[in-house]
Amino acid sequence: SAVISQKPSRDICQRGTSLTIQCQVDSQVTMMFWYRQQPGQSLTLIATANQGSEATYESGFVIDKFPISRPNLTFSTLTVSNMSPEDSSIYLCSVWSGALNTEAFFGQGTRLTVV
Amino acid sequence: KQEVTQIPAALSVPEGENLVLNCSFTDSAIYNLQWFRQDPGKGLTSLLLIQSSQREQTSGRLNASLDKSSGRSTLYIAASQPGDSATYLCADGGSQGNLIFGKGTKLSVKP
Repeated sequence: SAVISQKPSRDICQRGTSLTIQCQVDSQVTMMFWYRQQPGQSLTLIATANQGSEATYESGFVIDKFPISRPNLTFSTLTVSNMSPEDSSIYLCSVWSGALNTEAFFGQGTRLTVV
Repeated sequence: KQEVTQIPAALSVPEGENLVLNCSFTDSAIYNLQWFRQDPGKGLTSLLLIQSSQREQTSGRLNASLDKSSGRSTLYIAASQPGDSATYLCADGGSQGNLIFGKGTKLSVKP
C-alpha cells in the first residue's frame, strides 16, 4: 500500500482567496486523482493529475477554478481558486498503481471552510 | 452513466450483531467493486476489492460479495463492534483507477 501525506489537513479561508493543497506519496505511482466531498455527499472526481502535462478534468470542473500540477510521479497539488462558501468541502487525493484490479489509496483529506 | 446507490443511508445496531450493507449499480460492465471505510473527518481506508470475475472476498470479519447480473454488492460484517462505527462507501472501479462512489451507509454500533 502507498502512504499518502496531504497538507493542510484543514483550513478556514476568506472568500475570494485561493488555497493550494499538496499531496505527497511515498512511492512512484502511475495515477493521481483529486476528489471533492461536499457536506453530506459522496466523493466526486474533480480531475486526473497527469505527470508533465495538463490535468484531465471531469464534467463540471474547469482548470481556471481548480488548477492542478503534477511535476513528478510522487507529488501533486490542487488549487481552489477564487473561493466561495460553496467550495467548502473535503478535498481528497487518491493514487493508483496502474495495475488493473488493484486498490486505490486515499490521503487523509483537506477540510476546507470558506467564510 | 454509472450510478451507485447505497441503502440504507444510516444503520444503528447493538454490539455483536451481524449486519449487511447494500450497494447497487446501474451498469454491470464494471472492472471491480471496492469497499471503503471513512471515519469522521478522515480520509478513506480500503477494505476490500472484488474483481468483476470474482463472487466474493473476505478479510477478517468482513465479507463482500458481487453479483454483476443483478448489479449488486453486499458487505457483511460479522460480530459487529463499536470500533466498526464509520461510514462505509462502495465504489465502481474504472479501468484507469478512477472511482464512482455511492453516498455511503453511516453505521453506528452501540455498546
